[in-house]
This record gives sequence, C-alpha cells and structure tokens, in this order.
Amino acid sequence: NAGVTQTPKFQVLKTGQSMTLQCAQDMNHEYMSWYRQDPGMGLRLIHYSVGAGITDQGEVPNGYNVSRSTTEDFPLRLLSAAPSQTSVYFCASSKYPPDRGDQPQHFGDGTRLSIL
Amino acid sequence: AQTVTQSQPEMSVQEAETVTLSCTYDTSESDYYLFWYKQPPSRQMILVIRQEAYKQQNATENRFSVNFQKAAKSFSLKISDSQLGDAAMYFCAYRRINRDDKIIFGKGTRLHILP
Repeated sequence: NAGVTQTPKFQVLKTGQSMTLQCAQDMNHEYMSWYRQDPGMGLRLIHYSVGAGITDQGEVPNGYNVSRSTTEDFPLRLLSAAPSQTSVYFCASSKYPPDRGDQPQHFGDGTRLSIL
Repeated sequence: AQTVTQSQPEMSVQEAETVTLSCTYDTSESDYYLFWYKQPPSRQMILVIRQEAYKQQNATENRFSVNFQKAAKSFSLKISDSQLGDAAMYFCAYRRINRDDKIIFGKGTRLHILP
C-alpha cells in the first residue's frame, strides 16, 4: 500500500508552459482532491472528485483542469502556467463519503512548483 | 459560509513543556468534523487528531488532546511533553457532514520547540 503518490516532487516551468501534476492512490478511495498551499493562505481547494467520471470546482479552480477517468488517478493540469501558480500542491484522498463517518483525508507528499 | 481561524501564526514552547494551539470556526451546521493536521518540514500532511461534533468527550491521541467547546466554536490542540519532533506547521480543519469532500483549513500555526 503506497498511499497517495504525487509526481513530480519539484518542477520549474516558464510562464505559458503547460504541465500535468500526477496523483495516484492505491487504497480504492472514491474521493480525491487537489489543494494549493501558499504562505499565509493555508490550504485552498482547487478541484475535487467524488468518484470516477465526476469532478467539481473548489475554491480556486481558475487556470487548472482535472479529470477522473479511473478511481486511482486524479491528474491536475496547468493549461498555461502563470507566476501566480507558484505554490506547493497537495493531492488527497479518502475512502468513504463524508456523511458515512469521520474519514480523514490521506495526503500525498506534495509537489513544489515554481513558475518563472 | 464556514470559516476556520487560527489566530497564532507562530508559537514556541520549551521541550517537555505543554503548549496549546488555538482554533475557532464558524458554521451554522450542528453536525460536523474537526481535525488537526501536522505538516513537518518534509511537507507531508499528517492527521494528528479528529473530533466528531456530536461527541461531547474531547478526543485524545497519546500526547495530543483537544479542548472542544461547541457552543463557543473553539477547538484547541494541547500538546503535552513537547518533543523536538513536534516542530511543524499545524492546521486546524473542518468538514461538513454531507456528500462532498470539501475540507476547510485554517492558515496554520508554526510551532517551534526550544531545546
């Protein structure tokens, strides 16, 4: 059981480039989310998914796309990188719907992304 | 809208002493969950403790305990016998009980452990 795996751990991009942050979990979790962490801002939800084929926007979705073609994978795409997207990105997953119990989220190790 | 407030950006405590991190939240819900997460320098997010709002008993996990005051909407974390490995960012978090996965985090408190 590897848990939640994020790749890459570090990435530097030029403004305007696109890239995909990968997230995979091997716990058969339905629920997956992407957060960005910025100094003084805490963790902010970008997009989330309640199951394969279903995604929805979080607090700060602009400039990001997601898809959920399988239960295991939830990639985050930056369409045209901007310096404002310099941040640390966390992927998280949980097994049960929130109303079935207090299931905490399992987090990946994070991806540090710098946009020049 | 639900909000989570951590009013202490940084705190320091002497090794082996006890420290309390504050968290307040705002919600109109009656049932919900509250969490404390730890983020060490490695940047992993580690669940420290969780509390169900419908339980009056405060959650405890080894040296970590909470003081949950539902009426005051307060959820503080107490760390007893502080250890050097406790140095980290600590995030208070809230989740509603419904069919979405939104978890709302506070801005964090950086805890320093003084040897």
